[in-house]
Amino acid sequence: AQSVSQHNHHVILSEAASLELGCNYSYGGTVNLFWYVQYPGQHLQLLLKYFSGDPLVKGIKGFEAEFIKSKFSFNLRKPSVQWSDTAEYFCAVIGSNYQLIWGAGTKLIIKP
Amino acid sequence: GAGVSQSPSNKVTEKGKDVELRCDPISGHTALYWYRQSLGQGLEFLIYFQGNSAPDKSGLPSDRFSAERTGGSVSTLTIQRTQQEDSAVYLCASSRGVEQFFGPGTRLTVL
Repeated sequence: AQSVSQHNHHVILSEAASLELGCNYSYGGTVNLFWYVQYPGQHLQLLLKYFSGDPLVKGIKGFEAEFIKSKFSFNLRKPSVQWSDTAEYFCAVIGSNYQLIWGAGTKLIIKP
Repeated sequence: GAGVSQSPSNKVTEKGKDVELRCDPISGHTALYWYRQSLGQGLEFLIYFQGNSAPDKSGLPSDRFSAERTGGSVSTLTIQRTQQEDSAVYLCASSRGVEQFFGPGTRLTVL
């Protein structure tokens, strides 16, 4: 069965620090990968997605992610975080029946 | 605003009661999904509707859970004889391609 693992459950950073959140998936075929974000009190929204092509994908709010097939990874990055990036971040992969299979999430806290 | 809407936003019920949660998808979206977000289990897929096809119920945790989608639009998730472990946020999403758009969720608390 497909699965997604996120290595860091809680991350605390200061403003302007660089961010990298790890995501690994367990499926060797064609994958569709996503990062969603959930700001406090808000619903899930899409940050970025990878279907095919350029393995470096850019999303909203300065986020990017790199698909590395050999490592089964899709890590999320941002060069300089802001206080407003405080949120929970979820990595997900599309399953065989089009449902999203989710990682456990990473709670990111940015100290002002 | 033509996003996914869900009602009620919060529901508190007593153990053993039945509850119904409603989802209004984005107009024109043929696919509709229910997920559950709970402290112990994270985000879990429950059920998937695509057009007029039979739903994929593979994620429903027990036979107390059921869902229907009327007219290819509004969906209702029903939980019978609720248990405390059913307490969670129930999320609905819709899509017409691969990207899914989420509603705000219904927070269910079973006392």
